[in-house]
Amino acid sequence: NAGVTQTPKFQVLKTGQSMTLQCAQDMNHNSMYWYRQDPGMGLRLIYYSASEGTTDKGEVPNGYNVSRLNKREFSLRLESAAPSQTSVYFCASMAGDTQYFGPGTRLTVL
Amino acid sequence: AQRVTQPEKLLSVFKGAPVELKCNYSYSGSPELFWYVQYSRQRLQLLLRHISRESIKGFTADLNKGETSFHLKKPFAQEEDSAMYYCALRGDSSYKLIFGSGTRLLVRP
Repeated sequence: NAGVTQTPKFQVLKTGQSMTLQCAQDMNHNSMYWYRQDPGMGLRLIYYSASEGTTDKGEVPNGYNVSRLNKREFSLRLESAAPSQTSVYFCASMAGDTQYFGPGTRLTVL
Repeated sequence: AQRVTQPEKLLSVFKGAPVELKCNYSYSGSPELFWYVQYSRQRLQLLLRHISRESIKGFTADLNKGETSFHLKKPFAQEEDSAMYYCALRGDSSYKLIFGSGTRLLVRP
């Protein structure tokens, strides 16, 4: 059981480039989430998917899009990266009242 | 509005000293409160939930509705407790958790 996996672990982009962060979970959870973690700001919810086929905006959705490809996979896309999107990105899934987190992706936008 | 406040960015204590990490929340209903922890080079994980009234790794947290607080306490800190701690609230939406800004606990030898 790998739990929640994320790829890549690290990424450096130039301003304006696009990329997709991948997330998958093998725990058959319905709900999945994307957060960003910034110093002094804690964890902020970007988007979430309560179930396969649905997605909703979180606290900081601007500049991001998501796709819930199937029950296992939930991807986050940056269409035109900006330096303000430099952050650590965490994917999570939820069962009951517990969220299970991936290892994170450290993204730097130059 | 639903909000979680952790007023301390950094808390530094010596080994064996008591620890209290503060968490205050804003929510008009009956909240569910949690503490999550992130040890160095490890994933963020659930530490404890208020509804269980449990003690995990010597930590306890009591929900005080009058003071809208859910402080995390441990009587004798250990070096391995050094980590980032997040308080979280589940309010109106059962699908979402609202996290505080986190407190880094540093336990010195």
